[in-house]
Amino acid sequence: AQTVTQSQPEMSVQEAETVTLSCTYDTSENNYYLFWYKQPPSRQMILVIRQEAYKQQNATENRFSVNFQKAAKSFSLKISDSQLGDTAMYFCAFMKQSFGNEKLTFGTGTRLTIIP
Amino acid sequence: DSGVTQTPKHLITATGQRVTLRCSPRSGDLSVYWYQQSLDQGLQFLIQYYNGEERAKGNILERFSAQQFPDLHSELNLSSLELGDSALYFCASSVDLGSYNEQFFGPGTRLTVL
Repeated sequence: AQTVTQSQPEMSVQEAETVTLSCTYDTSENNYYLFWYKQPPSRQMILVIRQEAYKQQNATENRFSVNFQKAAKSFSLKISDSQLGDTAMYFCAFMKQSFGNEKLTFGTGTRLTIIP
Repeated sequence: DSGVTQTPKHLITATGQRVTLRCSPRSGDLSVYWYQQSLDQGLQFLIQYYNGEERAKGNILERFSAQQFPDLHSELNLSSLELGDSALYFCASSVDLGSYNEQFFGPGTRLTVL
């Protein structure tokens, strides 16, 4: 079974600063996907970024980037130039490569607050 | 707006009752997933359907059941409700099977069991 650990329950940062959210995971799979989801106060789950384990290059989506360390089973999210709209719960998630069982396993989340 | 709709938005009921949560996937999506988000258990995968057939099961209680209909909408039935079933229930959909297909989440149904 896979597990996902987010060791930072809460974080806060000043607007325009950079913040990094940590995530580690445990799996015996070699092929898998990793995700960061954002859950703002509206409760909607929004995909922020994803990483395929077979890709060595770290994924980037505008101000969001990841640091994927496969050997260390680490997958951190960096948010640059943070904005007030980034205030949300952030969940790290794991999915093994599959065709027919696309179960997402989530961490416990990090509550991020951007301070004006 | 993800294109996934869930009804009702809120549901308040009593212990021992039965409720049905409904999900309409994005147009053209064949795969539907149900997740539960509770304070105790966090976000947990419950069950996956694809084109009407059950494909994967997670930590879904025997009191819970689901199905996907020919028009591809899905229903999650929760019976003999307990206080601990209070949670936010999400439905998600993807266009097809395969890990590379993004799951789009609905807004959730908040269930409160009193």
